[in-house]
Amino acid sequence: SQQGEEDPQALSIQEGENATMNCSYKTSINNLQWYRQNSGRGLVHLILIRSNEREKHSGRLRVTLDTSKKSSSLLITASRAADTASYFCATDALGTYKYIFGTGTRLKVLA
Amino acid sequence: SQTIHQWPATLVQPVGSPLSLECTVEGTSNPNLYWYRQAAGRGLQLLFYSVGIGQISSEVPQNLSASRPQDRQFILSSKKLLLSDSGFYLCAWSVRARDTEAFFGQGTRLTVV
Repeated sequence: SQQGEEDPQALSIQEGENATMNCSYKTSINNLQWYRQNSGRGLVHLILIRSNEREKHSGRLRVTLDTSKKSSSLLITASRAADTASYFCATDALGTYKYIFGTGTRLKVLA
Repeated sequence: SQTIHQWPATLVQPVGSPLSLECTVEGTSNPNLYWYRQAAGRGLQLLFYSVGIGQISSEVPQNLSASRPQDRQFILSSKKLLLSDSGFYLCAWSVRARDTEAFFGQGTRLTVV
């Protein structure tokens, strides 16, 4: 079953702008992760935030997690054309080794 | 370093034919292994996962099966393909520990005609 729902489904911005994507999930989790997928390729891990963390940074990426609302957001600052891809959140549910993915956000960064 | 191999990259199969997709991982031992399917423009659906040889958990009842004959080998099979089996199939692995990421293969695009 699909765990996460992402919002928006698609996002188009100009180079240099910030991109924000949101993810909601349903069950208790160990952690939440964000992945990137270029068209027709496998997924690449971007960042992991544990359930006891509220915010995490990695380069131009900023992730927040609100376990009370069961939601997360991914912010990409100063976006580049090369950031054009689909972005997925994934949850690692408590007591399992399963990674359940959201529906994804298709980001297009215009040069 | 660890690597994951998934093949073939593309496959066109007639309805009713069998399927075998193979995934192998190198450079690690006792990995968790996963098969996902992605419909066009959609999210990933977890099909099967395995925490050890011969241990397969099925997430979605369907026309597919999985096997893990060796520690680092994961096979996705079907006896008779349906049109609805078309999609992008992704294999992944992770370390058997908390708070670890999944590493994905490059995927197989299956078209059933």
